[in-house]
Amino acid sequence: DTGVSQDPRHKITKRGQNVTFRCDPISEHNRLYWYRQTLGQGPEFLTYFQNEAQLEKSRLLSDRFSAERPKGSFSTLEIQRTEQGDSAMYLCASSFSSGTGDTGELFFGEGSRLTVL
Amino acid sequence: KQEVTQIPAALSVPEGENLVLNCSFTDSAIYNLQWFRQDPGKGLTSLLLIQSSQREQTSGRLNASLDKSSGRSTLYIAASQPGDSATYLCAVPSGGGADGLTFGKGTHLIIQP
Repeated sequence: DTGVSQDPRHKITKRGQNVTFRCDPISEHNRLYWYRQTLGQGPEFLTYFQNEAQLEKSRLLSDRFSAERPKGSFSTLEIQRTEQGDSAMYLCASSFSSGTGDTGELFFGEGSRLTVL
Repeated sequence: KQEVTQIPAALSVPEGENLVLNCSFTDSAIYNLQWFRQDPGKGLTSLLLIQSSQREQTSGRLNASLDKSSGRSTLYIAASQPGDSATYLCAVPSGGGADGLTFGKGTHLIIQP
């Protein structure tokens, strides 16, 4: 296994366009997380999946954001009607968790950098 | 709400020095604590994971300790090298039934050759 992979690595779009990011986790991991990071800040939690179920969403995840993990494998994060404030690095991580409270050890991808003009 | 603070925010030291990075968190009911390294424009690399039942973990020149009751962790880097230059982040479970991680803002470390 080569680790967590994310695509695309960079995306430049105009305000109002829709963008979609893909994440392929480590194959035996049951949890998949999405985080957002802006310059000089630590990553901020957006949402996570346990297998195919989306179990938690941050208040940061507005109605314009939607995430899916249809077969409990790869995940997509879509942002509709992008705004300049959406410019950030979108990070995906996966882990194996044995239960509530135990996040397991998170392994991150290289991130997808979004620039909204 | 879990809050994580990392001190110092930035650190520049000559090569070869031993150094300590600090992390504190407000909700001590954590299951584990994880230290990460981040190079500019890159994702995060896991360095060490400490379970709440452990007091420390070691990997090569890195040693992380955890004092859960006082809400503190330290990352000790021995014999620092220029390749250690990066941002170091600590993260703990967000708590309150939430299953995400809360991160600090990181310590930006520069090792001078």
